[in-house]
Amino acid sequence: DTAVSQTPKYLVTQMGNDKSIKCEQNLGHDTMYWYKQDSKKFLKIMFSYNNKELIINETVPNRFSPKSPDKAHLNLHINSLELGDSAVYFCASTSVRVLGETQYFGPGTRLLVL
Amino acid sequence: QQQVKQSPQSLIVQKGGISIINCAYENTAFDYFPWYQQFPGKGPALLIAIRPDVSEKKEGRFTISFNKSAKQFSLHIMDSQPGDSATYFCAASGGSGNTGKLIFGQGTTLQVKP
Repeated sequence: DTAVSQTPKYLVTQMGNDKSIKCEQNLGHDTMYWYKQDSKKFLKIMFSYNNKELIINETVPNRFSPKSPDKAHLNLHINSLELGDSAVYFCASTSVRVLGETQYFGPGTRLLVL
Repeated sequence: QQQVKQSPQSLIVQKGGISIINCAYENTAFDYFPWYQQFPGKGPALLIAIRPDVSEKKEGRFTISFNKSAKQFSLHIMDSQPGDSATYFCAASGGSGNTGKLIFGQGTTLQVKP
């Protein structure tokens, strides 16, 4: 199936641990994003990569480090996890050749930091 | 200037009724205004989108009304159905250095009662 996929779907971990979330899209898009959705459902962009190049880097703690090994993958590594990092993290992709192209979202990774 | 304000926060409508959600923005450089629908446990999915060169766009039971001078846009769901119960987000993007970055509203939780 063509889609944006994320692993894992659920992640429960202790404060201070380091964890990674993986995202893959097989839509042929050249731009990928990470969003954070907090407990009030507010969606906020964190990072964006276009053709493996970082193009958006919002005010995010440097404990968060995105990595894009190729156009189809965008991973998010989080160091020294804090309670406030608990949220749902969504990956999305689009094609910047057409401005405003639909962003396709993955199913989300639900992170709970204890 | 980068904010998109959405109201109401929650909405309860009887089956067959009209659901109306409103959004307002400040940045006149925004040129793409999508609405996303999110069901519990899922990622947001594009519902309908509009550009400022038209004042209205209709797709089935969903209509966007756009008022450029007032910097407001709204989503109308006609003949609302229980299956429409979800969280709806307006968003905006565009401007100099546009990277496809979406600024989301706060979300509206819609409940359609049978």
